Amino acid sequence: DAGVIQSPRHEVTEMGQEVTLRCKPISGHDYLFWYRQTMMRGLELLIYFNNNVPIDDSGMPEDRFSAKMPNASFSTLKIQPSEPRDSAVYFCASSPAGAIQYFGAGTRLSVL
Amino acid sequence: ILNVEQSPQSLHVQEGDSTNFTCSFPSSNFYALHWYRWETAKSPEALFVMTLNGDEKKKGRISATLNTKEGYSYLYIKGSQPEDSATYLCALRAPSGSARQLTFGSGTQLTVLP
Repeated sequence: DAGVIQSPRHEVTEMGQEVTLRCKPISGHDYLFWYRQTMMRGLELLIYFNNNVPIDDSGMPEDRFSAKMPNASFSTLKIQPSEPRDSAVYFCASSPAGAIQYFGAGTRLSVL
Repeated sequence: ILNVEQSPQSLHVQEGDSTNFTCSFPSSNFYALHWYRWETAKSPEALFVMTLNGDEKKKGRISATLNTKEGYSYLYIKGSQPEDSATYLCALRAPSGSARQLTFGSGTQLTVLP
């Protein structure tokens, strides 16, 4: 398996634009997690899914953030409208039965 | 909110030195403890998952111990090498129902000088 695949690796956008981050989990993993990494707050959980169903989205900072998992092999994290304070590295991770988490390479987002 | 603390925040050691660092967590809220290694410009990579008090895990020159009664885990690196330079994260999984989320500490950034 190729591991958790995230795209794009880098995204530069202007304030107010919509941003969509994508994640393909490892096949067979039934948990998927979205994290945000910033200097100030470290690695923080935004939302996680179990069998494509969102379980806990309490870490989503505000209504501008939304996440979906339409099937077992794909998830998106959308920010609309984006703001400069959203600039961070966004990681997706997947896990079999909630055990060890396998992380993607991350998407570095810069909002100008 | 779970408080997972790691110390020191950063550490510089000479090649060949052995080193260790600490992860502290609330002992009353423990299900499992994960250790991850995070190299710059890469993604976190799992080292160990520890669940039992007194657990010791080893992977090459890296080992970890767990004390759930007092709420801490130590990570040891024997004979540090420059390639060990990375941020080492611990993460707590709490026994809250079906929750699978991890609460991460802020990490210990290790630099091994040649």
